[in-house]
Amino acid sequence: AQTVTQSQPEMSVQEAETVTLSCTYDTSESNYYLFWYKQPPSRQMILVIRQEAYKQQNATENRFSVNFQKAAKSFSLKISDSQLGDTAMYFCAFMKRAGNQFYFGTGTSLTVIP
Amino acid sequence: ETGVTQTPRHLVMGMTNKKSLKCEQHLGHNAMYWYKQSAKKPLELMFVYNFKEQTENNSVPSRFSPECPNSSHLFLHLHTLQPEDSALYLCASSSGTGEAVTEAFFGQGTRLTVV
Repeated sequence: AQTVTQSQPEMSVQEAETVTLSCTYDTSESNYYLFWYKQPPSRQMILVIRQEAYKQQNATENRFSVNFQKAAKSFSLKISDSQLGDTAMYFCAFMKRAGNQFYFGTGTSLTVIP
Repeated sequence: ETGVTQTPRHLVMGMTNKKSLKCEQHLGHNAMYWYKQSAKKPLELMFVYNFKEQTENNSVPSRFSPECPNSSHLFLHLHTLQPEDSALYLCASSSGTGEAVTEAFFGQGTRLTVV
């Protein structure tokens, strides 16, 4: 079974600063995908960034980047130049390459302070 | 807007009622999911449909009954629910065949309150 662990239930960051959210996972699979999702108060879960396990290069999307450490099974999200609109719950998720099952962590509630 | 639409957005029902949640996607995805989101808990996968066939039922009580009439629509029929079933119910879809593997696209959820 796959498990995803987010050890930081809540975090806060000053506007314009940088924050890193942690995620670890456990799997025996060698081929898989990892995702970070954002769920603002409006409730709609939207994709922030995605990483294929076979790619060594860390994914980046504008102010969002990941630090993917496959051997350590770690997948952290870095948000640079934090903005008020980044305030949300952030979920780390894992998906096996074969099959359509997504496994989610418990989430980290991020608050950006003006 | 993710392309996945859920109705209703809010639902209050008594324990003896029967109601249904609806999910619709026109993204051409072949997989659809129901998740339950409760406070302080990971998202709980309830059901998975691949090409309209149910491929996963994670020990969900029979008072929840899914239906997938076609690859674009997914329903969750509810009857004789308990107060602990109150939660946010999220629908998602994805495409997961061959090289065309996508992330999950989520609807806005239905906030269900059982009284």
